[in-house]
Amino acid sequence: QVQLQESGPGLVTPSQTLSLTCTLSGGSISSPSYYWTWIRQPAGKGLEWIGRVYTSGSTKYHPSLKSRVTMSIDTSKNQFALELSSVTAADTAVYYCARARRGYTDGLEAYYFDYWGQGTLVTVSS
Amino acid sequence: QAVLTQPPSASGTPGQRVSISCSGSSSNIGSNTVNWYQQLPGTAPKLLIYSNNQRPSGVPDRFSGSKSGTSASLAISGLQSEDEADYYCATWDDSLNGPVFGGGTKLTVL
Repeated sequence: QVQLQESGPGLVTPSQTLSLTCTLSGGSISSPSYYWTWIRQPAGKGLEWIGRVYTSGSTKYHPSLKSRVTMSIDTSKNQFALELSSVTAADTAVYYCARARRGYTDGLEAYYFDYWGQGTLVTVSS
Repeated sequence: QAVLTQPPSASGTPGQRVSISCSGSSSNIGSNTVNWYQQLPGTAPKLLIYSNNQRPSGVPDRFSGSKSGTSASLAISGLQSEDEADYYCATWDDSLNGPVFGGGTKLTVL
């Protein structure tokens, strides 16, 4: 049974760095079949993809956040992490980690999130 | 502002069939497959439909998905009270070179 669990501070001071960790159980983060992803959701709003990290350590970030985001992976601990620097109140949200699968269906890109963590609320406030 | 367009709300009575639309463009829905997520109140999103019309194990066949051109649709038949949730469409966007979501549709079971 695949499970993802986010952990980290629930309160971050403006201009500081938000740091979260996602721990995978019931599977291996070293699997070449998946991308390990962070997604956030401000209160009452929709979902925003932040970025992803692959088992090799390669990363891809949303262009709007690219200058402030760093993702990493620790295969020995079955964990991956998110750092978001210079946070403001606009970064207040529930942060989810998720597993992404990528493939092709009838020649078209198929990319979806099949397992999600429960989410963790991060508030940016002094 | 979400890249994919969904109606903000939808409603139906128990047993009814409801449909939720998702509109995009040639760089996203038009050239990639569509997924749907269900988010029950206070919980994380859950994969409901992937690759346009595939249901993960455990998802009832009351839920179905379809895609045509640059639009997609989620249909729920035999509506039940436990279907009351937010529903999000999502797909890959070739311009962004990443996944994008719709703004979400809040389904109310009357």
